[in-house]
Amino acid sequence: QSALTQPASVSGSPGQSITISCTGTINDVGGFNYVSWYRQHPGKAPNLILYDVSKRPSGVPNRFSGSKSGNTASLTISGLQADDEADYYCNSYRSTPTSLVFGGGTKLTVL
Amino acid sequence: QVELVESGGGVVQPGRSLRLSCAASGFTFSNSGMHWVRQVPGKGLEWVATISYDASKIYYADSMRGRFAISRDTSKNTVYLQMTSLRPEDTAVYYCAKGGWSFDNWGQGTRVTVSS
Repeated sequence: QSALTQPASVSGSPGQSITISCTGTINDVGGFNYVSWYRQHPGKAPNLILYDVSKRPSGVPNRFSGSKSGNTASLTISGLQADDEADYYCNSYRSTPTSLVFGGGTKLTVL
Repeated sequence: QVELVESGGGVVQPGRSLRLSCAASGFTFSNSGMHWVRQVPGKGLEWVATISYDASKIYYADSMRGRFAISRDTSKNTVYLQMTSLRPEDTAVYYCAKGGWSFDNWGQGTRVTVSS
């Protein structure tokens, strides 16, 4: 089961905005609105930050937003903060066979 | 609040078996799908298996199908991962998570090391 494609790393300065892409196929990202995003700080468990492409769980600030176009989903973080420095993973439902698939992860560095 | 506590990890020899447990609290367990996700140290996340709220639907990653089995006990609010024929490449931190087609809440993980 091939993973979704994410950039290995992105960076930005405090206060700036960054976008992380997540590219799949029509059988996963492009065909369903079950894309979710996770943030993981070193040594910690991941944390859900977006689900169903663009929905934020309770407690997640609106600095985090999501979108999808074709087979590519995107996570945008605005107003970058030092604590945003972490690894970010996308995930999608995939059909045939039914499964869930992660992206390879993107390391965000806040300069 | 939602709490997921994994246990059962440890060091095991190749070819042996291990059963992981995940005790859930703070939500209606019988209404929630559950997942196992693993992470090799220093690497990315890998989905392992999913069980629906009523255990009627179970899904596995290709590399785990036939060796791993997910199950749940509603009377104990616990989800299990039975791992057999373990390989060195199964060495990872194993997380359980709650959710439908997303991983809404995560446990702290339990470490499994497969080594002779």
